[in-house]
Amino acid sequence: RKEVEQDPGPFNVPEGATVAFNCTYSNSASQSFFWYRQDCRKEPKLLMSVYSSGNEDGRFTAQLNRASQYISLLIRDSKLSDSATYLCVVNRDSSYKLIFGSGTRLLVRP
Amino acid sequence: EPEVTQTPSHQVTQMGQEVILRCVPISNHLYFYWYRQILGQKVEFLVSFYNNEISEKSEIFDDQFSVERPDGSNFTLKIRSTKLEDSAMYFCASSFVIETQYFGPGTRLLVL
Repeated sequence: RKEVEQDPGPFNVPEGATVAFNCTYSNSASQSFFWYRQDCRKEPKLLMSVYSSGNEDGRFTAQLNRASQYISLLIRDSKLSDSATYLCVVNRDSSYKLIFGSGTRLLVRP
Repeated sequence: EPEVTQTPSHQVTQMGQEVILRCVPISNHLYFYWYRQILGQKVEFLVSFYNNEISEKSEIFDDQFSVERPDGSNFTLKIRSTKLEDSAMYFCASSFVIETQYFGPGTRLLVL
């Protein structure tokens, strides 16, 4: 079983739509959680950290459910520029490495 | 805004040759990392470096790989004898705290 699992998509949505991505992780030692975005052939860029209480940054809302080992990302009012691959990332306690999911591809159409 | 930089952006090499990939981490960061991404696959951790030594490495990081911080600014990844399967995008990252890692633009390595 993969340590971080995501629906690969693609999610094809019109501008202005609300879209949600989910991610599950298998290792209960996972301590820190993030969403990164990656544009085609570019580096992963940190979008936001994910906290148990949930957190919001503008149009983006992230949620963590430790009991279900589940992370979500909600994007409201989608823009064309949101088209990218969204990477769910975890870090285990006492480890230096980030563990990446394979990503969910989002296409926002005009 | 400070950024991680990497050189070269592209490298083509023959199988069996040595390559050195270079990175300049963000200046006040303490932790340094190499990751790789084979085309169409997920980003994979290779190695982390802290306090002038390897702090963690993956099973991918075998004896053909080495890392070095030769001076106060550069961080290098050396692949001693490249194989076809080493073809990938190699990302350097750095962080002030472990969890919040910032990635450089990558070096695309092609082994022929």
